[in-house]
Amino acid sequence: AQSVSQHNHHVILSEAASLELGCNYSYGGTVNLFWYVQYPGQHLQLLLKYFSGDPLVKGIKGFEAEFIKSKFSFNLRKPSVQWSDTAEYFCAVSRIVDYKLSFGAGTTVTVRA
Amino acid sequence: AAGVIQSPRHLIKEKRETATLKCYPIPRHDTVYWYQQGPGQDPQFLISFYEKMQSDKGSIPDRFSAQQFSDYHSELNMSSLELGDSALYFCASSSTRGRDTQYFGPGTRLTVL
Repeated sequence: AQSVSQHNHHVILSEAASLELGCNYSYGGTVNLFWYVQYPGQHLQLLLKYFSGDPLVKGIKGFEAEFIKSKFSFNLRKPSVQWSDTAEYFCAVSRIVDYKLSFGAGTTVTVRA
Repeated sequence: AAGVIQSPRHLIKEKRETATLKCYPIPRHDTVYWYQQGPGQDPQFLISFYEKMQSDKGSIPDRFSAQQFSDYHSELNMSSLELGDSALYFCASSSTRGRDTQYFGPGTRLTVL
């Protein structure tokens, strides 16, 4: 079975600080990688995804993520956060054989104005 | 753009009652996934359907059943509800040509008293 681990449970930042959220997965086959964001009281929204090609992917709202195959990692970054980035961030992995998503436990990001 | 629609958005039931959750995928999406997100937890895959046939099954209790209809909408039926069934139930959809990316609905918040 595959598993997804997110390094931080809760991150607190000030506006304009840089953000990096770690994500590692355990699965030896080919996977698709995702970061979803869940704003308070809202549904999951896709931030970005990686299937193949350039390991550095850019998503919405200034987020980017880097896939490092040798480390089974897919870390999310944003150079300068805003108060509106306060949300819960989920890393997710799907195998190309069945596409069902396995989520990490989530990281709550709180940005202080 | 049209999104995934779920109804109802909120549902309150007593123990041992039944509940039916509905999901209307994005137009021209033929695959539907159901996830359960308990309080403070990551979403867990329950079941999926592709072209009206069950395609995969996760940690779905025997008390739950689901189906996908000819118009591709899906219903999750939950019987003999337990307190532990209280959760946010998400539906996601994808298309045949884009099965690798799931788009989530707003969720149905089920509270069992």
